[in-house]
Amino acid sequence: DSGVTQTPKHLITATGQRVTLRCSPRSGDLSVYWYQQSLDQGLQFLIQYYNGEERAKGNILERFSAQQFPDLHSELNLSSLELGDSALYFCASSSRQVQGYTFGSGTRLTVV
Amino acid sequence: DQQVKQNSPSLSVQEGRISILNCDYTNSMFDYFLWYKKYPAEGPTFLISISSIKDKNEDGRFTVFLNKSAKHLSLHIVPSQPGDSAVYFCAASDEQNSGGSNYKLTFGKGTLLTVNP
Repeated sequence: DSGVTQTPKHLITATGQRVTLRCSPRSGDLSVYWYQQSLDQGLQFLIQYYNGEERAKGNILERFSAQQFPDLHSELNLSSLELGDSALYFCASSSRQVQGYTFGSGTRLTVV
Repeated sequence: DQQVKQNSPSLSVQEGRISILNCDYTNSMFDYFLWYKKYPAEGPTFLISISSIKDKNEDGRFTVFLNKSAKHLSLHIVPSQPGDSAVYFCAASDEQNSGGSNYKLTFGKGTLLTVNP
C-alpha cells in the first residue's frame, strides 16, 4: 500500500457520460498530480494541485476538470466521454520531505 | 517538446544478464533524476534516483549512471531476473527551482523490459 488511495479501481461507462475519479493523497502530502496512461503511451501529465490550489496544467482536455478539497483529497471529473478517453488514470502525491512522487494504483476507465 | 526521452520502447534480455535502460533529457535545468518501475494494473513505484552532483548511484542490483555533459542517464540491472519484467519510466525534476508547491516531475514514455527465463 503506497498510501495514495484511488477509487474506483475500475469504471465502465458509455460515451457521452460523466464520471468522477477520486484520490486521497498520502498523509501529510499537500500536492496531488493526475496522470493519464493510454495504450502505448507514457504517463501524460494532466494537472497538479497544491493545498487546494491549481499549480500546473498539462495536456488536460477542456472536458476534464479537477479540484482539491480542504481535506486534500482530489477529484478528477471527466465529462462528455469519448472512446478515446479509455485509459488508466493515476493520481500521485508528493511532499517537500521526500523527493519523487508516490502513485496510487490507478483507475481503469473503459468507455463503451 | 519532449524533455525526457526513452527511445527504446522495449528491451528483451535473458535471465542473469545485464539490462541497460537508457534515458536522454534536453533541459539543462534538470538536477534530479528518478527511475520508476510499473507492473501491469499497478501504479508506478519508485526504484532509484540520482542527484546531478553525482554520476553514479547503486542500490543492490540496480545502478543508475548520469552523464551530465551528454544529458544522458542509464539504469543497469545486474543480474536481471524474470520479476524485473515491467515498464521502466525515467523522470527528471528541476529541484533547485521547483521545490515545495512547484515540485514537478517530467516523465519519459517508458521502456518495457522483458526478462526471459
